[in-house]
Amino acid sequence: AIQMTQSPSSLSASVGDRVTITCRASQGIRNDLGWYQQKPGKAPKLLIYAASSLQSGVPSRFSGSGSGTDFTLTISSLQPEDFATYYCLQDYNYPRTFGQGTKLEIK
Amino acid sequence: QLQLQESGPGLVKPSETLSLTCTVSGGSISSSSYYWGWIRQPPGKGLEWIGSIYYSGSTYYNPSLKSRVTISVDTSKNQFSLKLSSVTAADTAVYYCARHFARFPFDYWGQGTLVTVSS
Repeated sequence: AIQMTQSPSSLSASVGDRVTITCRASQGIRNDLGWYQQKPGKAPKLLIYAASSLQSGVPSRFSGSGSGTDFTLTISSLQPEDFATYYCLQDYNYPRTFGQGTKLEIK
Repeated sequence: QLQLQESGPGLVKPSETLSLTCTVSGGSISSSSYYWGWIRQPPGKGLEWIGSIYYSGSTYYNPSLKSRVTISVDTSKNQFSLKLSSVTAADTAVYYCARHFARFPFDYWGQGTLVTVSS
């Protein structure tokens, strides 16, 4: 199974900050990667698919990049509603595997 | 608007079988190109893919759970189901159903249902 390693596992930031979360795959996965945002008690919400494509309805302050094994999710200017946990997911093959998550907290 | 809704017992005894159903509304489960999956999340932990099924019945399972998992589809009811046998406390989690395409992330999710394994 492909292992997805996210970093950092937690992050403190302030409203207006630019933040970057990284995800590394244990083998090449082309651009078959998605990013999710999850708030407590809610299902994950798809933000980015195909590594860099913005899901419909997602604010443009979210962006993704990368290909192969290294990927990043960037939030250009943090808003109060962005404090949540973020996960990456590889959809290159089965078994689908998620990163362990990055908890974004208010500084 | 596509909606998915999980249903099933919230409490299962150890060694028994966990059974959940996902009802799809606002779209057909038989539409080509769609896969239907189960994902779980133990309390306070990360997400784990359990398995997926194509409307035709082809299944894909997580090797770590494969010996205990069965996913099936009932196109007449627009539902798909999960059975997980021989459960232990480690199977306590919120279980989500979700839709995806081949090589595409899960885009529509159910709200999730908490299943607790306890005697």
